[in-house]
Amino acid sequence: QKEVEQDPGPLSVPEGAIVSLNCTYSNSAFQYFMWYRQYSRKGPELLMYTYSSGNKEDGRFTAQVDKSSKYISLFIRDSQPSDSATYLCAMSGLDTNAGKSTFGDGTTLTVKP
Amino acid sequence: DGGITQSPKYLFRKEGQNVTLSCEQNLNHDAMYWYRQDPGQGLRLIYYSQIVNDFQKGDIAEGYSVSREKKESFPLTVTSAQKNPTAFYLCASRAGSSYNSPLHFGNGTRLTVT
Repeated sequence: QKEVEQDPGPLSVPEGAIVSLNCTYSNSAFQYFMWYRQYSRKGPELLMYTYSSGNKEDGRFTAQVDKSSKYISLFIRDSQPSDSATYLCAMSGLDTNAGKSTFGDGTTLTVKP
Repeated sequence: DGGITQSPKYLFRKEGQNVTLSCEQNLNHDAMYWYRQDPGQGLRLIYYSQIVNDFQKGDIAEGYSVSREKKESFPLTVTSAQKNPTAFYLCASRAGSSYNSPLHFGNGTRLTVT
């Protein structure tokens, strides 16, 4: 079983919808949680970076971490066609050697105008 | 602007040839990483380096080699021993080597071997 499981998608929503992207994990040592956005043929770009449990908001994006359930989410409000991309969750913690991050497999989102 | 530059963007090679992918960063980051991305499989770690002249194998190092002679540069060689080399290769770096700083990525090199 993988350490990080991400909802596989693909996900298709109309413009303006609220999008929820989710990951679960099994390693309780994970403390830092990241969301990356990856456009086709590009490298992943860091969207959100959070520590431990709680919420973090940045514009239309909200990252939520529930360590008790080992569950993280990324919410996108008022989704736009420019949000169409693959979203990757990533995690790291004390026992991840040399700061290696563990990634989910990604969820591909399409926002239709 | 600071960032990570990977070159070339696309690379085509014949089976049996070694090929070297370039990665340069001007972020003054200590640690650098190479990942491989295949459709539906997420990112898998090939090699990483925390300081100059030192590097460690990741989860899928077989058939690959690296060097770290300068802080700014971390080239990856895909050798003929790599059984399925066609993939999207991503270089990344982070400040320090600790788990509490996020990775920053380049824009990748797509390697096709026929």
